[in-house]
Amino acid sequence: QVQLQESGPGLVKPSETLSLICTVSGGSISGYYWSWIRQPPGKGLEWIGYIYYSGSTKYNPSLKSRVTMSVDRSKNQFSLNLTSVTSADTAVYYCARETSGAAWHDYWGLGTLVTVSS
Amino acid sequence: DIQMTQSPSSLSASVGDRVTITCRASQGISNYLAWFQHKPGKAPTSLIYDASSLQSGVPSKFSGSGSGTDFTLTISSLQSEDFATYYCQQYSSYPLTFGQGTKVEIK
Repeated sequence: QVQLQESGPGLVKPSETLSLICTVSGGSISGYYWSWIRQPPGKGLEWIGYIYYSGSTKYNPSLKSRVTMSVDRSKNQFSLNLTSVTSADTAVYYCARETSGAAWHDYWGLGTLVTVSS
Repeated sequence: DIQMTQSPSSLSASVGDRVTITCRASQGISNYLAWFQHKPGKAPTSLIYDASSLQSGVPSKFSGSGSGTDFTLTISSLQSEDFATYYCQQYSSYPLTFGQGTKVEIK
């Protein structure tokens, strides 16, 4: 059974960089697209972007200027960096796997709350 | 971006009830629609993909239908473990977008 686990700081200061890692267990990171999705408190879900196991990426245009994703196949991990954060970036951040051949998500992490505050 | 509108945003139902949730896309998405369930403190779980295909391991009380812009998720007989929030997601085009969720509560 594939499991995903998000990790990283729960508190980030405004204007700094939010950095999260997703660790994949129970399966290989190879062959799949891996997404980051977030949900601000009381609001809807927002797809941030994906990274393919090979390293290619696609980002939501709304966040593209501030987002970078990377993958470490040796550790079965992928990561998210979001720069110049503001309070609007406070959210629960989820990592998820896109199923093979279609862009719906068959496995999700539990999510991690990141608060942007000084 | 394709906007996904779910209704209702919440509903109260009793065990054994038949429940229907709708999802409307702002433009046609063929059958590129998924439904998933989210319970507090747990990872979201996939229910339906391609609008009507049941994800492996999901009980047959869940069913999906629709094509184009209008879709439904039906739970044929609600059980206690089904009280959760349900979301639709389109994957016809990027950026992927989600409905705002339907919270199913106990009456």
